[in-house]
Amino acid sequence: DSGVTQTPKHLITATGQRVTLRCSPRSGDLSVYWYQQSLDQGLQFLIQYYNGEERAKGNILERFSAQQFPDLHSELNLSSLELGDSALYFCASSGPGTSAGELFFGEGSRLTVL
Amino acid sequence: QQQVKQSPQSLIVQKGGISIINCAYENTAFDYFPWYQQFPGKGPALLIAIRPDVSEKKEGRFTISFNKSAKQFSLHIMDSQPGDSATYFCAAREGSYIPTFGRGTSLIVHP
Repeated sequence: DSGVTQTPKHLITATGQRVTLRCSPRSGDLSVYWYQQSLDQGLQFLIQYYNGEERAKGNILERFSAQQFPDLHSELNLSSLELGDSALYFCASSGPGTSAGELFFGEGSRLTVL
Repeated sequence: QQQVKQSPQSLIVQKGGISIINCAYENTAFDYFPWYQQFPGKGPALLIAIRPDVSEKKEGRFTISFNKSAKQFSLHIMDSQPGDSATYFCAAREGSYIPTFGRGTSLIVHP
């Protein structure tokens, strides 16, 4: 158990809809990262938050947005969903106590867009 | 642009054999090279990592070999076991920047 909690584990929705994925980082970790995993693209970095502030941005679509709340949990919002958004979405966290950049991943949220 | 190229995409090995996964990179500023292991239905978890000041790091049956001049590093799994069947990701990181992951290798170890 990595200590990172993601909900929901599975989500099925229709094109054009909006969903919210939630992540609770390990206790004490200030950084939260969101990754998208698809079969042909591996792990794609979307966005990082550190203590409530956006720290780095990757290949995140404009239809996607995220935020980190004062209690350090994070939410990834996906809107105007398309079939191609079907993927596993992982949240990871890291903190000052982790060795040299180790990321701790949650078990992911599997999104299916029909 | 893929900054870390990982091969092969899939690998089938017999129990007791050696599994070898290779990664190549371009950015010479990378200074931390971790390998992550992902079992089905789980998130990736750090397996072993190396810094470029050493050429090899071994932890149990898992060894990272690092060739700085060739800008390549590889994961060797000795005496591969069915329980090693998983997806393996190499990654590279520069300082405190976001790590870049390879596309992953699906390893199947037949009993």
